[in-house]
Amino acid sequence: ETGVTQTPRHLVMGMTNKKSLKCEQHLGHNAMYWYKQSAKKPLELMFVYNFKEQTENNSVPSRFSPECPNSSHLFLHLHTLQPEDSALYLCASSQEGTGGTEAFFGQGTRLTVV
Amino acid sequence: AQKITQTQPGMFVQEKEAVTLDCTYDTSDPSYGLFWYKQPSSGEMIFLIYQGSYDQQNATEGRYSLNFQKARKSANLVISASQLGDSAMYFCAMREGIAGANSKLTFGKGITLSVRP
Repeated sequence: ETGVTQTPRHLVMGMTNKKSLKCEQHLGHNAMYWYKQSAKKPLELMFVYNFKEQTENNSVPSRFSPECPNSSHLFLHLHTLQPEDSALYLCASSQEGTGGTEAFFGQGTRLTVV
Repeated sequence: AQKITQTQPGMFVQEKEAVTLDCTYDTSDPSYGLFWYKQPSSGEMIFLIYQGSYDQQNATEGRYSLNFQKARKSANLVISASQLGDSAMYFCAMREGIAGANSKLTFGKGITLSVRP
C-alpha cells in the first residue's frame, strides 16, 4: 500500500469512447501529477496540480482533460484517444513548500486504445 | 540535450553481489535533487534514495547508496548484497530548483536489472 491509489489498473477503450482515470492520495500532500510512460521512453510529465490549481500542462493534447476537485483526488478524463496513447499512466503526489523531496507514485493504469 | 542519461543496457548481477547502476545528469541550476526509483513488473514506481545538490555526504538507505560525483555530474546507484526481489527497472530522476518551488521530476530512460540466483 503506497498511499496513492489508482483505478482502474487496466483499461481497454475504443477510439470513440470516453473514460476517466482516478487517483487518490492518502498522504496529505498538496501537489499531484499525471505522468505517461510509453514503451522504451522516459516518463513524461503531463500535468501538475498544486493546491488544486493546475500549474503545468506539458503540451498535452486536449483529448486528455485533467480534473482536481480537491487536494486528495485527481482525475484524467479521456476522449477520442488514438492508439499511440496506449501507455501506463502514473499518478504521483508530493508535499511542496516544506522542502519535501520525493514524489510517491501509484501503481498506474495500463491503458490500451483499440 | 537530455537532462538525465542512463545508457547501460540490461544489467545482470549474481545474488548477494553488489551492482552499480549509472546515471549522469545535466543542469545549470545550482539547486537540484537527484532520485532513484525502482519499478517492478507491477508498474508502481518505488522511491529508493535521494541526494540533494548541497548535501556534503553521499546518501545511503539500507542496501542502497548513491555515489554522488558533482563535478562529473553523475549519481550512480549502488545496490549491495543483491536479492532476487531487486530485479526490476531502475530510473534516475532529477528535480531542478529548490524543493517546494513547483518542482517536478525529469526521468531517464531506465535500466533493467536482473538478479541471478
